[in-house]
Amino acid sequence: GESVGLHLPTLSVQEGDNSIINCAYSNSASDYFIWYKQESGKGPQFIIDIRSNMDKRQGQRVTVLLNKTVKHLSLQIAATQPGDSAVYFCAEILVYGNKLVFGAGTILRVKS
Amino acid sequence: DTGVSQNPRHKITKRGQNVTFRCDPISEHNRLYWYRQTLGQGPEFLTYFQNEAQLEKSRLLSDRFSAERPKGSFSTLEIQRTEQGDSAMYLCASSPGLAGAYEQYFGPGTRLTVT
Repeated sequence: GESVGLHLPTLSVQEGDNSIINCAYSNSASDYFIWYKQESGKGPQFIIDIRSNMDKRQGQRVTVLLNKTVKHLSLQIAATQPGDSAVYFCAEILVYGNKLVFGAGTILRVKS
Repeated sequence: DTGVSQNPRHKITKRGQNVTFRCDPISEHNRLYWYRQTLGQGPEFLTYFQNEAQLEKSRLLSDRFSAERPKGSFSTLEIQRTEQGDSAMYLCASSPGLAGAYEQYFGPGTRLTVT
């Protein structure tokens, strides 16, 4: 069936360190993956996406890695800042699909 | 601000009452989505529109829920005879709907509390 899950519900990192948030998905038919950031009281904010024909994509301070062999997705944030504190969700879309299927989220806390 | 907007931001209602939420998507985005999010969980898909046509509905969307997008621009989500279990954040998102353009941009949500 469709499901996206996360390994760690809460991640605490020191300001300036790198953060790695992990996500496992179960549907091999998923074609597209997105990471969203959600701050308290706000809607999810698009961070970065990756298609299933790629294994790595880089943005500004963020990198997404996709391992289709083990159905694993990760988000790396370089030089984590206090403003990065939020809940992070991975989401997937099936081939020819339209809806996003979200996991439960990981809370990232950045300590100053 | 040209992002997705939602109104109201907060709604408190008594059980059994009807409520209606509005979503204004990003201009020229022809796809519009509704999701529901409960505390500590990721958003769950409810329904989506391609222009004015409602193309998919989740099993989560009971008969008490109805969504419309009459002119292919803004959308409304109505919940009739609200129940306490309807308390959640209702999120709207829009996307360009172009081939391969899967990015969905979310609004701030409407938080519903049913007492």
